[in-house]
Amino acid sequence: GAVVSQHPSRVICKSGTSVKIECRSLDFQATTMFWYRQFPKQSLMLMATSNEGSKATYEQGVEKDKFLINHASLTLSTLTVTSAHPEDSSFYICSARDLASGSLYNEQFFGPGTRLTVL
Amino acid sequence: GQNIDQPTEMTATEGAIVQINCTYQTSGFNGLFWYQQHAGEAPTFLSYNVLDGLEEKGRFSSFLSRSKGYSYLLLKELQMKDSASYLCAVEIWDTDKLIFGTGTRLQVFP
Repeated sequence: GAVVSQHPSRVICKSGTSVKIECRSLDFQATTMFWYRQFPKQSLMLMATSNEGSKATYEQGVEKDKFLINHASLTLSTLTVTSAHPEDSSFYICSARDLASGSLYNEQFFGPGTRLTVL
Repeated sequence: GQNIDQPTEMTATEGAIVQINCTYQTSGFNGLFWYQQHAGEAPTFLSYNVLDGLEEKGRFSSFLSRSKGYSYLLLKELQMKDSASYLCAVEIWDTDKLIFGTGTRLQVFP
């Protein structure tokens, strides 16, 4: 159980276009999902917390108008990189918590990531 | 601010033991996680500590000292497949957020 999927796994786009990345919890409901960005040979940087039915909470330094997050259902959150530029090229990873798991700790389950390359 | 530091790179020999340290200074603490990440893949959960002491899980153990803001991950009987990045992450109290450390790239040699 506790599987998180992301789509697409890889995307290459031209500078100036917008790219949408989907994050789905396949076998559990997630009121909260998280979006991270990871540059090569670096660690994960939290971008925002996605809350079902309400606005996302962005970390300091992350432009909310550039990285649009929508969490329309308990199993789906989307991240849209608007007007992407080469510096947005990165590995984007989402995660979700299964609140009904009965786990003693708040383990986050990670999606497989999306490799974005902006030309 | 949040500071979570790890050594950038470590090397070790197959069959050996390696300890990866993590020091943290965060605004609130609700537990510390260790994740393993192979290149281009998602992180996978290894361990969780919220109380001081050692948690053992097969070849992997993790230690926490809350008063010192310090944790380590101990890997025993190293195998080639253990070559990966190891990330410590602190869950911030009352936010559900995980803040990741700088990550340690471990290379295991034959």
